[in-house]
Amino acid sequence: GAVVSQHPSWVICKSGTSVKIECRSLDFQATTMFWYRQFPKQSLMLMATSNEGSKATYEQGVEKDKFLINHASLTLSTLTVTSAHPEDSSFYICSAAGDVSYNEQFFGPGTRLTVL
Amino acid sequence: GENVEQHPSTLSVQEGDSAVIKCTYSDSASNYFPWYKQELGKRPQLIIDIRSNVGEKKDQRIAVTLNKTAKHFSLHITETQPEDSAVYFCAALGRPGNQFYFGTGTSLTVIP
Repeated sequence: GAVVSQHPSWVICKSGTSVKIECRSLDFQATTMFWYRQFPKQSLMLMATSNEGSKATYEQGVEKDKFLINHASLTLSTLTVTSAHPEDSSFYICSAAGDVSYNEQFFGPGTRLTVL
Repeated sequence: GENVEQHPSTLSVQEGDSAVIKCTYSDSASNYFPWYKQELGKRPQLIIDIRSNVGEKKDQRIAVTLNKTAKHFSLHITETQPEDSAVYFCAALGRPGNQFYFGTGTSLTVIP
């Protein structure tokens, strides 16, 4: 099946620093990648949609200057949380969609971010 | 955009009983509805999905029904087992970016 990896799986950083999270599709070409944020006991909230080679489309209320998304290749998308603050602590999950299965998204294992 | 509502938020059933989770959606153009199971701290796992050209789909103990007219779809789990305990999310495929909009989740507990 289609495999999506994320790195790192967990990260702890100081307030004010920036953190980069990578999302990779390992065995298929991901034309579209999605970034979600999930707070404890809550649902997955879509942050942005990125298509390879173009700018990401952000959901309402998500600051694009704070959450920088790059989708430079068909197998890699990165999310950079800039100037992270404790309220940014969350579980960040990416998913990828491509020519593997129509409409289906394949999720990464998630990245647990804790900002001190 | 699409708005997905999910009920109930928590559900407890005795082992062997059935569990039903319901979702409604707002965008009549949505045509793909997956269901995910998520265990604590892990990624969502697709358990079943349905497209708008069918009304029901079944896979062993799991079934999903779709009513396009009423814009709601349901997950049915029969003969529940303790390992079915998890959080379940429904989703609807939105337009124009093919993004998923998730329901709020249902925490299912199967009591042995």
